[in-house]
Amino acid sequence: QVQLVQSGGGVVQPGGSLRLSCVASGFTFTNYGMHWVRRAPGKGLEWVAFIRFDGTNKRYVDSLKGRFTISRDNDMNMLYLQMNSLKVEDTAVYYCAKDAHLGLALDIWGQGTLVTVSS
Amino acid sequence: QSALTQPRSVSGSPGQSVTISCTGTSGDVGDYNYVSWYQQHPGKAPKLLIYDVSKRPSGVPDRFSGSKSDNTASLTISGPQADDEADYYCCSYAGSYTWVFGGGTKLTVL
Repeated sequence: QVQLVQSGGGVVQPGGSLRLSCVASGFTFTNYGMHWVRRAPGKGLEWVAFIRFDGTNKRYVDSLKGRFTISRDNDMNMLYLQMNSLKVEDTAVYYCAKDAHLGLALDIWGQGTLVTVSS
Repeated sequence: QSALTQPRSVSGSPGQSVTISCTGTSGDVGDYNYVSWYQQHPGKAPKLLIYDVSKRPSGVPDRFSGSKSDNTASLTISGPQADDEADYYCCSYAGSYTWVFGGGTKLTVL
């Protein structure tokens, strides 16, 4: 069964850090690019970051200004999002998602994990 | 990286067709045939409905269809069912391994 299982969310104070994890199973992880997408309360989906299948290329939404880092461990089938200097506006449900097997889309999504930035 | 523009809400009955528009720019929707659509029910993860403008993944009902003209993509639901009541998002590849989503549209089935 193809699936992505997330962990690592929680409550953190402004300026703090958090690392999200996403473990893949049921497909050859090393063949696919991976994404992080978030949905803030009352808002729509926002694409956050992408990493190529081999980790050689990483891209981010401009608004993050270098605070987040996407990474992967292909030996462990793991995807990560290191979030630093967190702001209240980073509060959201974060999803990991897999590049589609066919076409250019996100075809498998994790269950989502809530990150709350609050003092 | 400005969000694509979608209507906030649409509604329709099972006997009608409902169309959700998604307007971007020449840097995203207009430049690439890589528009995808996602359905999200409350508290659930998004689900891929359409990829590459008009292709349906296996298992997605054929009442969902997609199209594109210039900088605007569209999702049409022919005869929406009660379970189709959800939020819908378009997404476009924007070049250099970046993507952009629309603001989302809430579908109400009358």
